[in-house]
Formats: sequence, structure tokens, C-alpha cells
Amino acid sequence: DTEVTQTPKHLVMGMTNKKSLKCEQHMGHRAMYWYKQKAKKPPELMFVYSYEKLSINESVPSRFSPECPNSSLLNLHLHALQPEDSALYLCASSQDLGAGVNQPQHFGDGTRLSIL
Amino acid sequence: LAKTTQPISMDSYEGQEVNITCSHNNIATNDYITWYQQFPSQGPRFIIQGYKTKVTNEVASLFIPADRKSSTLSLPRVSLSDTAVYYCLVGDTGGFKTIFGAGTRLFVKA
Repeated sequence: DTEVTQTPKHLVMGMTNKKSLKCEQHMGHRAMYWYKQKAKKPPELMFVYSYEKLSINESVPSRFSPECPNSSLLNLHLHALQPEDSALYLCASSQDLGAGVNQPQHFGDGTRLSIL
Repeated sequence: LAKTTQPISMDSYEGQEVNITCSHNNIATNDYITWYQQFPSQGPRFIIQGYKTKVTNEVASLFIPADRKSSTLSLPRVSLSDTAVYYCLVGDTGGFKTIFGAGTRLFVKA
């Protein structure tokens, strides 16, 4: 079991659908991250939130829309995705961004997304 | 951002010590070195982190030479359950970006 909870674990959607991925942590961490991971590849950073504000957007297409409603929750809204967006989407949190990757990140087990 | 280079894969047998080396020639003064382990269909798990010399915890040791241009993750007496991908990361001095290297796939055989 992880301290970062992601739902759903699996999601299949069509290219015209709108869906959301959810991530929750109760460790009091103030930095939260979204990553995308394709099969047999390393995770790729998508977004970083610090104190509920978007700090980094790694040039992610607008069909991915992050949201941080409060310090414990992180959402990723999906709309009009393409088949190449099929991947494992990982959420992570860390204590804060003061020392960046000097703060170990805690990862959830991801949402396996398939776009039909 | 410091780029990391690791072997693509390694094989070992149960009970052996495994050493995985990561090169990071452009590491910055304020950067730390962090290692994660990832099993299939799971998120990465933090293993160990260090800045210089040697760090040891209950699962691994991390050796960092004085020039800090490389680091070695040491796993003592591996078991079949240590079969996983191991990632070496070097911290961005800006403190925000996390860039995973390609990782090392470790196969532990009986």
C-alpha cells in the first residue's frame, strides 16, 4: 500500500470523452506532481504544484488540465485525448519544493489509461 | 540539469551483492543523488539519497566518490523480489524538475 492514493486504477476512454484522474495524500506534503510513463520507459514529469499553485508545466498539451483544489488533492482532467496518450499516469508528493529533488518523492501506483 | 547514465540491465543471483553505478558528470554543487526502485505496474519507491561519501539504510548503501561525478547503489544479498528497475536521479539546483534517467533493469535469478 502507498501513502499516495490514485483513482481509478484503470481507465478506458474514447477520444471524445472527458474524464478525470484523482490523487490524494495525507502526509502534509505541499508539493505534488503528475508524471506520464510509457511502457519500458522512465517517468516523464508533466506538472508540479507547490502550495496549490502550478509551478511547472513541462509543455504538456492543453488536453491535459491539472487542478489542485487543496493541499491534499490533485486532479488531472482529460479531454479529447489521442491514442498516443495511453500510458501509466503517476502522481507523487514531497514535503515541499524548497529543496526540490532533495526531498524524496512518494509515488502512487498510477492510473493505467487506455485511449480507444 | 545533470544527465545520468546507467547500465541498461544487470543480472545477478540470489544472495549476491549487486552494485549499480550511475554517472553524472555535470552534477552541480547543491545537487543530491537519489535512487528509486520500480516494480511493474507500481510507482517508483524511494530507496536512498546522498550528497557525498557513504550513506547506508536498512535496504541499501550509496557510495559517492569525492568528485561526485558518479555514484554506486549497493544492494546486499539480493533476493528474487529485488528484480525491478532502479533509477538514479540528480537534483536540479533550481529545485523543481525531476528527470529520471533510463534506469537499470535488474534481474535476480534463483
